[in-house]
Amino acid sequence: AAGVIQSPRHLIKEKRETATLKCYPIPRHDTVYWYQQGPGQDPQFLISFYEKMQSDKGSIPDRFSAQQFSDYHSELNMSSLELGDSALYFCASSFLGQEETQYFGPGTRLLVL
Amino acid sequence: DQQVKQNSPSLSVQEGRISILNCDYTNSMFDYFLWYKKYPAEGPTFLISISSIKDKNEDGRFTVFLNKSAKHLSLHIVPSQPGDSAVYFCAASVRRGGSNYKLTFGKGTLLTVNP
Repeated sequence: AAGVIQSPRHLIKEKRETATLKCYPIPRHDTVYWYQQGPGQDPQFLISFYEKMQSDKGSIPDRFSAQQFSDYHSELNMSSLELGDSALYFCASSFLGQEETQYFGPGTRLLVL
Repeated sequence: DQQVKQNSPSLSVQEGRISILNCDYTNSMFDYFLWYKKYPAEGPTFLISISSIKDKNEDGRFTVFLNKSAKHLSLHIVPSQPGDSAVYFCAASVRRGGSNYKLTFGKGTLLTVNP
C-alpha cells in the first residue's frame, strides 16, 4: 500500500540558510500534519492543512512557513536556520472520515551546522 | 507541561510473555488515544487506537485499555515477539467539536523483547 513520502530523507545546512521539506500524502488523503522531533524528545505538532487551507498551528517558529498545494502535497519552508532546528521532521496524513488516525512518513533528518 | 506522560523510558520482556506499556494524560479534553510503534530511522507506525467512549479495544496481539477516571491507558502485547522491539509512543487528540486532530505525544517507551 502507498505510504506517505517525504523528501529529502536527509539534509545538511549551514546556520542562516534555508531549507524546504516536501511531503506527499497517501492518495486520497486530504489532511497533512507536520511534526518536529528533537533528539530524545517526543514529536511536537507544528502545523496542519486541510483541503489546502491551514487548519491549525502549533509551536512553529515565525521563520517557518508551510503550504498545501492543489495536488495535496505540502512543503515546509524553513529560513534563517538555527542549530536548534536540527531534528527529525515528520509529515503525517489522514482523510475525511478517519481524521483521528494519522499515517506518518519516514521523516526528514535535518542537521544544521 | 507534558500532557501525555509515559513514565517508563524502557521495558524489557521475555519472548512469549506479556508486555504492558503505560500512559497517563492530564488534559481531560482528550477523547481519542493512539499507540504508535517506531523503529530507528523510520516514521511512527500506527498500531491501535481507542475512543473515550470505550474502555477496551483489541486487534490481534494488541489490546488497549482506557481508564478515563484515572486518565490512564495501557497497551498490552501478548505474546511478545522479538520483532516488537521498538519505541512505543502514546498519543492523544481532541475530536469532539473540532476539525483538526493534532496529536500530542508522550516521550515514548523503548520495548526490548528478548529471545
